[in-house]
Amino acid sequence: QKEVEQDPGPLSVPEGAIVSLNCTYSNSAFQYFMWYRQYSRKGPELLMYTYSSGNKEDGRFTAQVDKSSKYISLFIRDSQPSDSATYLCAMRPNNNDMRFGAGTRLTVKP
Amino acid sequence: DTAVSQTPKYLVTQMGNDKSIKCEQNLGHDTMYWYKQDSKKFLKIMFSYNNKELIINETVPNRFSPKSPDKAHLNLHINSLELGDSAVYFCASSRTQTVQPQHFGDGTRLSIL
Repeated sequence: QKEVEQDPGPLSVPEGAIVSLNCTYSNSAFQYFMWYRQYSRKGPELLMYTYSSGNKEDGRFTAQVDKSSKYISLFIRDSQPSDSATYLCAMRPNNNDMRFGAGTRLTVKP
Repeated sequence: DTAVSQTPKYLVTQMGNDKSIKCEQNLGHDTMYWYKQDSKKFLKIMFSYNNKELIINETVPNRFSPKSPDKAHLNLHINSLELGDSAVYFCASSRTQTVQPQHFGDGTRLSIL
């Protein structure tokens, strides 16, 4: 079993839809959780960074962490074609040994 | 100004050759990393340096040798390139080695013929 599981998709939604992206993990030592967006031929770009269980909101993006279930989510409201990218979840314990999910490829159609 | 920059962007070379990839960050960060992203987009850490000292060295063939001349630079030298080395290599940096998010460069696409 991989430490971090993420459905690679692809996921296709119409413009304006609410998108839900998820990851599960097995290592209870993970304490810090991140979501990165990666456009084609670009490096991953940090979107959200959370520590505790609960929700964190930033504009149209909401990150949710449930440590008891070892489950994290990223919600995108009012999705736009410019949101089309691969979304990577990432997590780490209390050091810099970060583990990534495989990434979910999202397409938002106009 | 690009925060984390890598050169070259593309590298096409033959099996058996030796090549280097350079990385520079202008963020004033203490910690730098090298990642490999395979064809399935899976990102895996290779090395981590903090203030020029190696702190993470995952199971990577010793043909790969990182070098950090100063804390703003982390280069990756690869000897005797093999077909399986074809991938995108990303450099990243973070303010410290703990509790800080990592910022990535745009990658170096290495193709082995």
